[in-house]
Amino acid sequence: EEQLLESGGGLVQPGGSLRLSCAASGLIFSNYAMNWVRQAPGKGLEWVSVISGSGDNTYYADSVKGRFTISRDNSKNMLYLQMNSLRAEDTAVYYCAILPRRTGDCYWGQGTLVTVFS
Amino acid sequence: DIQMTQSPSSVSASVGDRITITCRASQEISSWLAWYQQKPGKAPKLLIYTASTLQSGVPSRFSGSGSGTEFTLTITNLQPDDFATYFCQQANTFPWTFGQGTKVE
Repeated sequence: EEQLLESGGGLVQPGGSLRLSCAASGLIFSNYAMNWVRQAPGKGLEWVSVISGSGDNTYYADSVKGRFTISRDNSKNMLYLQMNSLRAEDTAVYYCAILPRRTGDCYWGQGTLVTVFS
Repeated sequence: DIQMTQSPSSVSASVGDRITITCRASQEISSWLAWYQQKPGKAPKLLIYTASTLQSGVPSRFSGSGSGTEFTLTITNLQPDDFATYFCQQANTFPWTFGQGTKVE
């Protein structure tokens, strides 16, 4: 069974850093582009970043560009999100996800909560 | 960036009703649109991709249509399990973007 499991969330002060991890199992990890999507408390979904299956290509939302870095280790079936210069508005549940495009391959983790507070 | 505008933001409905949710893209996205259902505290669940393809296992009372800039999600014979929030998402151009959501209550 395909599974994505995030970890690394927690409390951090503004300006601080945090690294999220996502462990994938039950699928051929390197076949999939991987995304981070976040959801602030009581708000909608916001796409954050994507990395291609090979790791060669990355894209970011304008709101995190220059502060967040997505990466992956296909040998370990792991996805990462390095978050620097965190702001209060980065407070959210962060999901790792495989999102559909041509096919219905779509998997989401359970999410990890990041709270930025002073 | 492509803006996705959903309407209505909320809809009051009853079991057995037919409801339609609209999603408009600020520019042409062909058929690169997905619809999700989300319940509180849970990750979104894919309902529809490529605008009208029903995801495996999703009941046939859900349907999607549209292309270009205007899309609809229709739920016929609304069931108790369908009371949730629904989001559209464009997959045409990065950054991928979501609509703001429609709460069915």
